[in-house]
Formats: sequence, structure tokens, C-alpha cells
Amino acid sequence: SAVISQKPSRDICQRGTSLTIQCQVDSQVTMMFWYRQQPGQSLTLIATANQGSEATYESGFVIDKFPISRPNLTFSTLTVSNMSPEDSSIYLCSVGKSSGASRELFFGEGSRLTVL
Amino acid sequence: GESVGLHLPTLSVQEGDNSIINCAYSNSASDYFIWYKQESGKGPQFIIDIRSNMDKRQGQRVTVLLNKTVKHLSLQIAATQPGDSAVYFCAENDPNNAGNMLTFGGGTRLMVKP
Repeated sequence: SAVISQKPSRDICQRGTSLTIQCQVDSQVTMMFWYRQQPGQSLTLIATANQGSEATYESGFVIDKFPISRPNLTFSTLTVSNMSPEDSSIYLCSVGKSSGASRELFFGEGSRLTVL
Repeated sequence: GESVGLHLPTLSVQEGDNSIINCAYSNSASDYFIWYKQESGKGPQFIIDIRSNMDKRQGQRVTVLLNKTVKHLSLQIAATQPGDSAVYFCAENDPNNAGNMLTFGGGTRLMVKP
């Protein structure tokens, strides 16, 4: 398994500001992902955080809006830039550990952002 | 409570009854499937997984059924308890995608009545 800590756990932000979310894992992991969960919705993948190179973004998500850092195998940050109320969501960090046939992803508790 | 599950389909069951939660997937290339449970204010937690070379897998009080012909997945919870109240998501993995990236289904909110 993996223990994932996210900061902040929640925040209330003003429109037009940016916020950086941190994700710390208790062990080295190759695969790290950032998901968004809008109110009452399922999880949508934002990007794969790649160690030592630029993140790989999914359709509909761009680096200017969601810059990601991955300086090492245990840490990543996601920034939500120039926020609007539509960015109010839970942002979840997840990691994958190859373990036999399992392709399970482990999730942090999420960072709940409310944009006013 | 948190906003997770407000707009999701809801299944309401009596405590002690069995629950069946369904999920349809669209990617024929997916060969690995997971059910997650998300309680209010928490991140998703693994319940059970199944590979596409199986059509049934059992865990403790839970069973996952996979029908590849119609691309349908179900989660059966036996003797449902109040602690089972949560939002349940199915997720799929396409081996053609990098790493363990999962695509999540829409989710179902399970409410257990005492």
C-alpha cells in the first residue's frame, strides 16, 4: 500500500488567485496522477505527473491552467491557476505501485477547494 | 458532509439486505477493473478488482461480476451494513495506456437504512 498526504486538505480561494496543492507519498513510486472530482461527480484524470519531465495532460486540461511539478519519486504539486468558481472541486493525488497482477491506485484524502 | 454523491444515482437498501451496484464501461480494450468506495470527506478506497480473464471474483461480503459481452460490471454486497453507506465507483484500466491510469465510471450512492 501507500500512504499519501495532501496539503491543504481544504481551502477557500478568491477568484483570480492560484493555489498549489502538495502531495507527499511515504515511499518511492513511479506512477503518480492528479484527478479532479467536481461536486457530485466522478473522478476525471487531469494529468500524469512524470518525474524529471513535463506532465502528460489529458484532453481538456492544459499546463498553463494546471502546472504540475514532480521533483522526485515521493512528491508532486498541482497548481490551480487563475481560479474561477468552476474550479471548485476536490483534487486528488493518486499513485500506482506494481504488485503482481494488481493495478490498483491509492488515493490521498483530497484537497477540497472552494472558489468564491 | 461533503458534496460527493449529491447528483449521483442513489440506491437505498435496508440494513441486512443484499446490494447490487451496476456499472457500464465503454472501452473494449480494458482488461482490468476495480471497485472503489468513497466515504464522505475521504478519498476513494479499494474494494475489489477483477481481470478480464475472469467473470466473477469474491471477497469478504463482496462479489464482483464481469460481463465482457455487454461491457457490464456489478458489485454485490451481502448483508449490507450502515458502514457500507458511501459512493461506489467502478474504474477500468486499458493496458494500452501508460502505467496504472484508471478511467472512472459515474458512481452510485448507496444509502443503508437501519
